[in-house]
Amino acid sequence: NAGVTQTPKFRVLKTGQSMTLLCAQDMNHEYMYWYRQDPGMGLRLIHYSVGEGTTAKGEVPDGYNVSRLKKQNFLLGLESAAPSQTSVYFCASSAIQAEGSGNKETQYFGPGTRLLVL
Amino acid sequence: KQEVTQIPAALSVPEGENLVLNCSFTDSAIYNLQWFRQDPGKGLTSLLLIQSSQREQTSGRLNASLDKSSGRSTLYIAASQPGDSATYLCAVKSGGSYIPTFGRGTSLIVHP
Repeated sequence: NAGVTQTPKFRVLKTGQSMTLLCAQDMNHEYMYWYRQDPGMGLRLIHYSVGEGTTAKGEVPDGYNVSRLKKQNFLLGLESAAPSQTSVYFCASSAIQAEGSGNKETQYFGPGTRLLVL
Repeated sequence: KQEVTQIPAALSVPEGENLVLNCSFTDSAIYNLQWFRQDPGKGLTSLLLIQSSQREQTSGRLNASLDKSSGRSTLYIAASQPGDSATYLCAVKSGGSYIPTFGRGTSLIVHP
């Protein structure tokens, strides 16, 4: 299993340009998440999805859109990039697994995409 | 709104020391708590997951405990090694929520 993969690994954009970040997971997980990580701010949730065809806003959704057309993919779009969107973007996935002592849910993260907006 | 705090923000210790990292949360109605490790320029790797019904989990030299009533979790690292140098983050998932809340992490350096 590849786990969670992200494409691209690094990108430089000019202000106003658009791009799409791709996240793919091969673990058949229901839940997928997009975070951004900035120095001093920690991890902040942008959008998330609890299943194919569903999306929901997280803590910092403005300026981003997402789509979950297929269960294994979660796309993050920037329609008009701004310097404030310079960050490292992480995708994660999880699923609830039944165990003897109850349900268990572990998040698995991708390697990240570094985005620089000039 | 759940808030997660990690203390200390940074820690430097000599190799071989046993150490404790702290994570506190404001809402005790949690579903689970997860500890992660993040190496510079890399993604997060799950270390331990504690369900709300559990009090601790162990993996190798790592032991994580959970005390919901006091809103605290600790990550104990035994016999620290230079390879343990990384940032350690805890994430709390509240009951009834799909969204985990992350602390800002503790940056650990273990020097030879």
